[in-house]
Amino acid sequence: RKEVEQDPGPFNVPEGATVAFNCTYSNSASQSFFWYRQDCRKEPKLLMSVYSSGNEDGRFTAQLNRASQYISLLIRDSKLSDSATYLCVVKGGFQKLVFGTGTRLLVSP
Amino acid sequence: EADIYQTPRYLVIGTGKKITLECSQTMGHDKMYWYQQDPGMELHLIHYSYGVNSTEKGDLSSESTVSRIRTEHFPLTLESARPSHTSQYLCASSGLGGGRQGGVNEKLFFGSGTQLSVL
Repeated sequence: RKEVEQDPGPFNVPEGATVAFNCTYSNSASQSFFWYRQDCRKEPKLLMSVYSSGNEDGRFTAQLNRASQYISLLIRDSKLSDSATYLCVVKGGFQKLVFGTGTRLLVSP
Repeated sequence: EADIYQTPRYLVIGTGKKITLECSQTMGHDKMYWYQQDPGMELHLIHYSYGVNSTEKGDLSSESTVSRIRTEHFPLTLESARPSHTSQYLCASSGLGGGRQGGVNEKLFFGSGTQLSVL
């Protein structure tokens, strides 16, 4: 079993739609969680950290469920520019970051 | 914007050649990393460093080597390139800089990557 698992997608949604991604992690000792965005042939860039109480940044909401060991990312009012791959990243033991395979999002007009 | 730079951006080279991929950051970060990523696949950690003269192998076995003689510089070397080394190599750094330890929410900043093709 992979340490961090994501549905690879692609998720095809129309502009304006709300879409949610989940990510599960296997190491219960994991300390921190992040969502990164990666555009095609580009480097990953931090989208947002995920805090225990949940956090929101504009149209993006991230939540953490430690009991079930998953994190989620909700995107409201999808824009064409949201099309990208969203990487779930978990910091586990020894401060090592583990990346999921990513979930691909395609927003169409 | 992060101040981490990789060169070259693209490299096409023949089998058996020695190559060095450069990575530099000007943020004073203690931790630096090399990841390998194939198209549509996840990032795999191949090397990391927690400071000068510290280097460790990552989760994915790699024939490459790294060095960390200066805080800002973390080059990766392949002594003899092979077609199986064809991939994208991403350098990253994290930390608060100035030798201080980062917190659990320390963020990772990536360079633009080097796309390596070995013929």
